[in-house]
Amino acid sequence: KAGVTQTPRYLIKTRGQQVTLSCSPISGHRSVSWYQQTPGQGLQFLFEYFSETQRNKGNFPGRFSGRQFSNSRSEMNVSTLELGDSALYLCASSLGAGGDTQYFGPGTRLTVL
Amino acid sequence: AQSVTQLDSHVSVSEGTPVLLRCNYSSSYSPSLFWYVQHPNKGLQLLLKYTSAATLVKGINGFEAEFKKSETSFHLTKPSAHMSDAAEYFCVVSPVTSGYSTLTFGKGTMLLVSP
Repeated sequence: KAGVTQTPRYLIKTRGQQVTLSCSPISGHRSVSWYQQTPGQGLQFLFEYFSETQRNKGNFPGRFSGRQFSNSRSEMNVSTLELGDSALYLCASSLGAGGDTQYFGPGTRLTVL
Repeated sequence: AQSVTQLDSHVSVSEGTPVLLRCNYSSSYSPSLFWYVQHPNKGLQLLLKYTSAATLVKGINGFEAEFKKSETSFHLTKPSAHMSDAAEYFCVVSPVTSGYSTLTFGKGTMLLVSP
C-alpha cells in the first residue's frame, strides 16, 4: 500500500506571496492532519480534517488554512507569507478515530525569502 | 490538556551500548503514546505505539518502551545501539477518548552514536 505523499517536496517563495501544499493520504484513511516543524518551536499541530470537515485547529493565524476533498486528499494554504513561515510542513494520515496511529509523509520544505 | 517532556535534548552512546531515551507525559484523557524517529531531511517514522494492551511495547529495529502509569513515563530503550540509529526521536501523546487525532510532540531527543 502506498504511503502518504506530499507535493511539492521543496518550495522557495518570497514574502507576501501565497503557497498551496498538497497531501495524499494512505488509501482508506479519512483523517489528514498537518504539522509545522521548525528548529525553534519543534513540531506544532496546524489542523485536522476528517470527511471534508475541519475537526480541530491549532494555534496559528488565519493566514493558514486548509481543506479536504471527497477523496480525502488535502491541501493547506498559507497566504501573505512571512519569513517565519519557513519550515518543514508535515502531513499525516490515519483511519480517523482518536488515538489512531498517524503515518507521516516526507514533508514539504518551504523557504520564504 | 496533554503535554510531553523529553528529559534529554541530546544523548550520546557508543555503538553496541544500550540506549535510553526518557519521556514523561501528562494527559486529561486515557492516552495513546508513540515514539517516532526522524532521520535528517526525512519525515517521521513510527517506532512503536502503546494503547493499554500491554505495558511493555516492542517496536521496529529492536526498540521497546515501557509504560509506567504511576510514574507517567514512557521511556524508549534498545539493548545495543547501531550507527544507523543516529537520528532525532520524538515522544508523542494522543488522547484516545476525545475523538480527536491531534498529536502532541515532545521537543525531541537527538541520539548520537559514535563508533
